[in-house]
Amino acid sequence: NAGVTQTPKFRVLKTGQSMTLLCAQDMNHEYMYWYRQDPGMGLRLIHYSVGEGTTAKGEVPDGYNVSRLKKQNFLLGLESAAPSQTSVYFCASGIQGANTGELFFGEGSRLTVL
Amino acid sequence: RKEVEQDPGPFNVPEGATVAFNCTYSNSASQSFFWYRQDCRKEPKLLMSVYSSGNEDGRFTAQLNRASQYISLLIRDSKLSDSATYLCVVNSLGGGFKTIFGAGTRLFVKA
Repeated sequence: NAGVTQTPKFRVLKTGQSMTLLCAQDMNHEYMYWYRQDPGMGLRLIHYSVGEGTTAKGEVPDGYNVSRLKKQNFLLGLESAAPSQTSVYFCASGIQGANTGELFFGEGSRLTVL
Repeated sequence: RKEVEQDPGPFNVPEGATVAFNCTYSNSASQSFFWYRQDCRKEPKLLMSVYSSGNEDGRFTAQLNRASQYISLLIRDSKLSDSATYLCVVNSLGGGFKTIFGAGTRLFVKA
């Protein structure tokens, strides 16, 4: 009964370090999303994917890269971490359409950049 | 202007009260609308979809006004367990469906 799984759940980085957040879903969903959530800002869309091999920019894509090589996985990369990237990151997946669109979220990954 | 805007609150209400939240969206071509609930330090979870004709799920009623581009959520007979942040969500077309969240409205229900 996994649903959406994010790893790691916690990470502390130094400025300039790189890392990758992994999101895996076992529901065969086409759409996957990466959001960041900061106090008072709500969830902001970083990148999203409408299917295997595709990615698109969201509202705040700078400083992040993504890949969707397999349908079930959506990776979020930080090439050179900055303190402004300290946040809680949520991955989500869903079946999207004009009248549908429930998203299923992972438990979040808390990233601190020192 | 943000694509989806909500009153951040917090709303502090006693048990049994009725409370309403509004949310406005800027993209007139938005396709579908939802309310999510997020408990402290947890992930968001779907509360209910919002249909053009309005819909009800127990104590919760959602309304959509496409002409004015807003949606609303009404909670009747508030319970302590309703304390959470309520997120307004809008799906828009643009390179596939893009799902945009409002910043959320915090609700505290007190005994």
